[in-house]
Amino acid sequence: AQKVTQAQTEISVVEKEDVTLDCVYETRDTTYYLFWYKQPPSGELVFLIRRNSFDEQNEISGRYSWNFQKSTSSFNFTITASQVVDSAVYFCAPEGTGRRALTFGSGTRLQVQP
Amino acid sequence: EAQVTQNPRYLITVTGKKLTVTCSQNMNHEYMSWYRQDPGLGLRQIYYSMNVEVTDKGDVPEGYKVSRKEKRNFPLILESPSPNQTSLYFCASSHDRATNEKLFFGSGTQLSVL
Repeated sequence: AQKVTQAQTEISVVEKEDVTLDCVYETRDTTYYLFWYKQPPSGELVFLIRRNSFDEQNEISGRYSWNFQKSTSSFNFTITASQVVDSAVYFCAPEGTGRRALTFGSGTRLQVQP
Repeated sequence: EAQVTQNPRYLITVTGKKLTVTCSQNMNHEYMSWYRQDPGLGLRQIYYSMNVEVTDKGDVPEGYKVSRKEKRNFPLILESPSPNQTSLYFCASSHDRATNEKLFFGSGTQLSVL
């Protein structure tokens, strides 16, 4: 079974600030995947990234970047130069390879003020 | 357009009155699943289906039923809804869970049981 902790319940920043959302997970699986999803105020769930536990390279996609540290079981998400449209709840979700359910954290609500 | 369609978007009902939330996907996905989202708890899996006529319990199946008679449809049935089933429900589908492919989510159904 997986467990995930998103200790930051809510973060508020001013536009153009950089912000990092923390995700710490626990798993007994030797191989697993890590996901991040975004839930904007409209309510839908938007896929952001899927990362295999074998691949410890950091990933950058535009203003988004992810830092995977297997040694500390963390998969943190950074938004550079935040924008108001980044305001959303962000969920981290680990999943053992071949398993049938993502384990979602409780989410971090990000408010970006203009 | 590839999508997962849930209906209705909002539903208010009374205790004990059977209801069905429909879910349909047009991506020929084999895997489908239902999650419920509650404040502070993230998303929790209710049921999932690996293929037609194959369904399994998730983490919180009590009080729910599902069926998978066709590949594209995966309805969620509440035979006798109770107030503790008031929640935001999401249907999701995926091409291949053996390799932990990403989930595509529907827009959600906000259910209130009075």
